[in-house]
Amino acid sequence: AQTVTQSQPEMSVQEAETVTLSCTYDTSESDYYLFWYKQPPSRQMILVIRQEAYKQQNATENRFSVNFQKAAKSFSLKISDSQLGDAAMYFCAMRYGGATNKLIFGTGTLLAVQP
Amino acid sequence: DADVTQTPRNRITKTGKRIMLECSQTKGHDRMYWYRQDPGLGLRLIYYSFDVKDINKGEISDGYSVSRQAQAKFSLSLESAIPNQTALYFCATSDFGTSGRFQETQYFGPGTRLLVL
Repeated sequence: AQTVTQSQPEMSVQEAETVTLSCTYDTSESDYYLFWYKQPPSRQMILVIRQEAYKQQNATENRFSVNFQKAAKSFSLKISDSQLGDAAMYFCAMRYGGATNKLIFGTGTLLAVQP
Repeated sequence: DADVTQTPRNRITKTGKRIMLECSQTKGHDRMYWYRQDPGLGLRLIYYSFDVKDINKGEISDGYSVSRQAQAKFSLSLESAIPNQTALYFCATSDFGTSGRFQETQYFGPGTRLLVL
């Protein structure tokens, strides 16, 4: 079975500081992808970053980067220079099922940014 | 204009009523999905469709049905709404990666908040 676990229901960070959100997953598949989605109060699900399992290099998108530890099945998100607009619910997700492209989501981490 | 739109954005209905949620996309994607979000549970897949003639059940399809009227339109129906179907519903789209590997990323609509009384 495929699972995605986010063990931090809530996190808080000071503006301009760095925060890391944790995610672990389990899958028996060799071809999978990992994602972080952001959900601000507007409810929109916004793609933050993606990581292909076959790539060893950690993905980076501006202030957002991941620490992908394949052997440990860990996929954490680091947000540098946190901004007030980063406050949101963050979901870790895993794409599995080959051509069926199914996504399974974690339960989310609510990030607060303190001014 | 938004690439993936959902109507209505909010809906209140009564137990036993039939309700349809609609999703339209201008991204030209073949694949469309319906998810449900409940507090503390993340998003769960209800149905997905890879083209107009293809419909597949997700992990929580009971009590729901879908219709893929065109490549750009994918509707979710609750034949007889019940209170535990109160949730936030998302439509998403994706296309097949062009690199030969499965590099699809799903793009989400703004969500429909449904309350069943």
